[in-house]
Amino acid sequence: DTEVTQTPKHLVMGMTNKKSLKCEQHMGHRAMYWYKQKAKKPPELMFVYSYEKLSINESVPSRFSPECPNSSLLNLHLHALQPEDSALYLCASSQDRGGFSYEQYFGPGTRLTVT
Amino acid sequence: EDKVVQSPLSLVVHEGDTVTLNCSYEVTNFRSLLWYKQEKKAPTFLFMLTSSGIEKKSGRLSSILDKKELFSILNITATQTGDSAVYLCAVNNNDMRFGAGTRLTVKP
Repeated sequence: DTEVTQTPKHLVMGMTNKKSLKCEQHMGHRAMYWYKQKAKKPPELMFVYSYEKLSINESVPSRFSPECPNSSLLNLHLHALQPEDSALYLCASSQDRGGFSYEQYFGPGTRLTVT
Repeated sequence: EDKVVQSPLSLVVHEGDTVTLNCSYEVTNFRSLLWYKQEKKAPTFLFMLTSSGIEKKSGRLSSILDKKELFSILNITATQTGDSAVYLCAVNNNDMRFGAGTRLTVKP
C-alpha cells in the first residue's frame, strides 16, 4: 500500500471558521509533510514532522496549526484564514526524514477556498 | 540561497517526439534529486537520483544526474498525449525544494 489519503477533497470556509484537514498513511513512514500549492506554482513546504515531532516550520502564520496525533495521522488546523490562503494543500510522507535520501509519496490534496 | 531551476518552463511537442527536460540546482547539503509528474492533483514519483552518471530508466522515461555540473535531465522518448503534465524537479537537502516545473503538452 503506497497510498496517502487526504480528507476532505474540497473545502470552502469563511474567514471566521475553524476547520481541519486530515492526512493518513499506512506505509510505516515516520516523516510527514504539509505543502501548500498555488495555481501554476510548485509545492511550497509548510511543516515537517519526524517521528511525530515537529522538526520544520517554514515561517508559516499561526493561523495554520499542525498536529501529529500518531505516526499514521497528520492534521492541519485552520483558523481565521485569509482569501490568499486559498490553495491546494498537499500531504506527503516518506520513510524517514534523515538518512542519505528518501522519496516522498503525496496524497491527492485538499482544495481549499477561503471566502 | 538555495535554488532549483527548471527549463524550459513550457514545451509543446507532437506525439512520437523525444523531449529533454532540464533541472539545475545550487543547494547546500545535497542528498538527492527527485523527479515528479503532476497532472491535475498530487505529484507522482518518477525517479530519485543520488549518484552521478547512473541512468535511471522506466519505460520511455529516463533520467541522469551530474553532481559536478549540478544538473539533471529527464528524457521522454516516443511521447504520448498521456505524458502531458507538469514535470517537477525537487532537491532534497534536509528540506525538499521544488523547481517551478516544466509544463509539457503533447499534441496528437
